[in-house]
Amino acid sequence: GAVVSQHPSRVICKSGTSVKIECRSLDFQATTMFWYRQFPKKSLMLMATSNEGSKATYEQGVEKDKFLINHASLTLSTLTVTSAHPEDSSFYICSARGGRGSYNEQFFGPGTRLTVL
Amino acid sequence: GESVGLHLPTLSVQEGDNSIINCAYSNSASDYFIWYKQESGKGPQFIIDIRSNMDKRQGQRVTVLLNKTVKHLSLQIAATQPGDSAVYFCAENKYPRGSSNTGKLIFGQGTTLQVKP
Repeated sequence: GAVVSQHPSRVICKSGTSVKIECRSLDFQATTMFWYRQFPKKSLMLMATSNEGSKATYEQGVEKDKFLINHASLTLSTLTVTSAHPEDSSFYICSARGGRGSYNEQFFGPGTRLTVL
Repeated sequence: GESVGLHLPTLSVQEGDNSIINCAYSNSASDYFIWYKQESGKGPQFIIDIRSNMDKRQGQRVTVLLNKTVKHLSLQIAATQPGDSAVYFCAENKYPRGSSNTGKLIFGQGTTLQVKP
């Protein structure tokens, strides 16, 4: 299947700083990318839907100013956690849709573990 | 509200036995379902999908059954192996009808499959 990468895989930061996470589709063009958040032993929670060249659509309860999403190209979306606090510590996963495979198939990245001290 | 859930949080099976993981969904309008496998510290991995016009689909060692009458989905794994140990999630999405489909996935809570040697 298609490959989606995330960088970094792990990040530790101090409270109050901002962290940027990159999601790349390596061998296909992703018209839509999704950002999820996952707490330990919990399910994936969709945060936002990102379409190339347009503003992201955020799920209810997700702060737009806190979680900035940019989908500048068909192969790259970024999630920036601004002014991070310990409660933002989580596993962040992106997925990408488009290219090979069935119309609706999403390919997931390996995730980024964020720890805010 | 809409939800996709799994009946059991943990399933323990003997190596070589067949595993059956269940999922109940509540949105009768959902017409596309996917099973994902997630290993510790990694992103979800696509296993198999099924559309609502089918009631069974087979892959390599896996079978998905869909019962729309009772809104139930199951994943059967034949001859379970230690490498099958992971958390399994079902997810639902409305089958695309033109460009308006968002591709959003609603994930269930997950079942941890433990394979005993």
